[in-house]
Amino acid sequence: GQQLNQSPQSMFIQEGEDVSMNCTSSSIFNTWLWYKQEPGEGPVLLIALYKAGELTSNGRLTAQFGITRKDSFLNISASIPSDVGIYFCAGLLYNTNAGKSTFGDGTTLTVKP
Amino acid sequence: KAGVTQTPRYLIKTRGQQVTLSCSPISGHRSVSWYQQTPGQGLQFLFEYFSETQRNKGNFPGRFSGRQFSNSRSEMNVSTLELGDSALYLCASSLEGDDGYTFGSGTRLTVV
Repeated sequence: GQQLNQSPQSMFIQEGEDVSMNCTSSSIFNTWLWYKQEPGEGPVLLIALYKAGELTSNGRLTAQFGITRKDSFLNISASIPSDVGIYFCAGLLYNTNAGKSTFGDGTTLTVKP
Repeated sequence: KAGVTQTPRYLIKTRGQQVTLSCSPISGHRSVSWYQQTPGQGLQFLFEYFSETQRNKGNFPGRFSGRQFSNSRSEMNVSTLELGDSALYLCASSLEGDDGYTFGSGTRLTVV
């Protein structure tokens, strides 16, 4: 079945630093999604990518859909304490698996003031 | 507009019981997916419903079932609960199922 390898598993950074995380898969996806989850809440969609090579920004967040359709990365610039949380990537192959996203295991981000 | 609403937020059940969880999607969203989240297994896909039909199913035993009503609201049911069913159950909705989902806050189920 489809599996996503998300790395790193955790990051401890200083406020103001940039962050980079990525996901790779042995399978292709039509859509890559990046979510952030805070304690006690469901994941919140940060960025959605729909085309190979697409580069999309949302404020200090930038994500790219890999050319091979098997990978994606998320960058956070100038991190702040409220960036703390678990970041998940998710791949969606909607032709045959509509509604069924495959999630990575998450990157836990800690930001020290 | 209102987000995805899941009820109840917390639930404690004993082994062998059954449980029903409810999800109200964002108005106009026709696709509803359910996920189980545990510390060890991450987010695992349970099933997806679209226009009252189950369109996709994950690798969970038949004790896990769901349904969707004509107003797109969805329920999932777990019968004969086991200790290992303790998890956060998340519901997510989208317009057609081919784009980013909006998640609810989840139902925290504890089986004792």
